[in-house]
Amino acid sequence: TQLLEQSPQFLSIQEGENLTVYCNSSSVFSSLQWYRQEPGEGPVLLVTVVTGGEVKKLKRLTFQFGDARKDSSLHITAAQPGDTGLYLCAGPLVGNRDDKIIFGKGTRLHILP
Amino acid sequence: EAGVTQFPSHSVIEKGQTVTLRCDPISGHDNLYWYRRVMGKEIKFLLHFVKESKQDESGMPNNRFLAERTGGTYSTLKVQPAELEDSGVYFCASSQGRTAFFGQGTRLTVV
Repeated sequence: TQLLEQSPQFLSIQEGENLTVYCNSSSVFSSLQWYRQEPGEGPVLLVTVVTGGEVKKLKRLTFQFGDARKDSSLHITAAQPGDTGLYLCAGPLVGNRDDKIIFGKGTRLHILP
Repeated sequence: EAGVTQFPSHSVIEKGQTVTLRCDPISGHDNLYWYRRVMGKEIKFLLHFVKESKQDESGMPNNRFLAERTGGTYSTLKVQPAELEDSGVYFCASSQGRTAFFGQGTRLTVV
C-alpha cells in the first residue's frame, strides 16, 4: 500500500505554462516536505509545511498543505526549464514516535524550452 | 556547514561480493536514516538510527544487509553477499527534528 500518492507521475509542458502536482494520502501527517531530485543527486529540500491549510511560496512555487493534513499540492507558475526534475513529497505520520519519513513515488516534471 | 556525505558515489561489484557504504551525517544530528531507490520504484525506508541505537530496521530487506553506527556518528551499510536485486541508489539522510537532509546517494550496481 502506497501511503503517499503523487500525481501525475509524469508531466511534460512548455516553458511559461502553469502546473500543479499533487500529493495525497488517507493518513494524517504531522508535516509534509517537498523535495526536488535531479539525476545523480540526492533529494534537496524545497519546503516543509506543518499547519493544516498552510501556504508557502518559494519564488514561482506555491506549496499548500491540506486542512486535514492528508494532502499537499505544489503549483508552479510560468514554468522554466530549470524546474525540470523529480518532485517528491514526504513526511512523518502523526503518532509515529520515531520520525520515520514516508516518501511518495514522485512526479517527474519536464519543462520544454 | 557540511551536509550529509556518502561514499562511494558509485560502486560496481559482482554478485556474491561484499560492499560497504558509508554515510557521514550532519554534525549534531541524532537521527540517521538509510533509504533505497530501486529503478522505477519509490524511495523506500531501510532503517533508522537514533544516535548509535537502531530505532527501526523494519525496512531492511534481509539478513544480507547490516547497518552500524558506532559512536553515534557515521554509519555504514554492508551488503554481504550482494545479489543482482540489490542494485539501486542508496540514500542516507540525517535530521534533528521533522525534516531530513539527504546525501547525494551511492549508486550500487551488482553484475
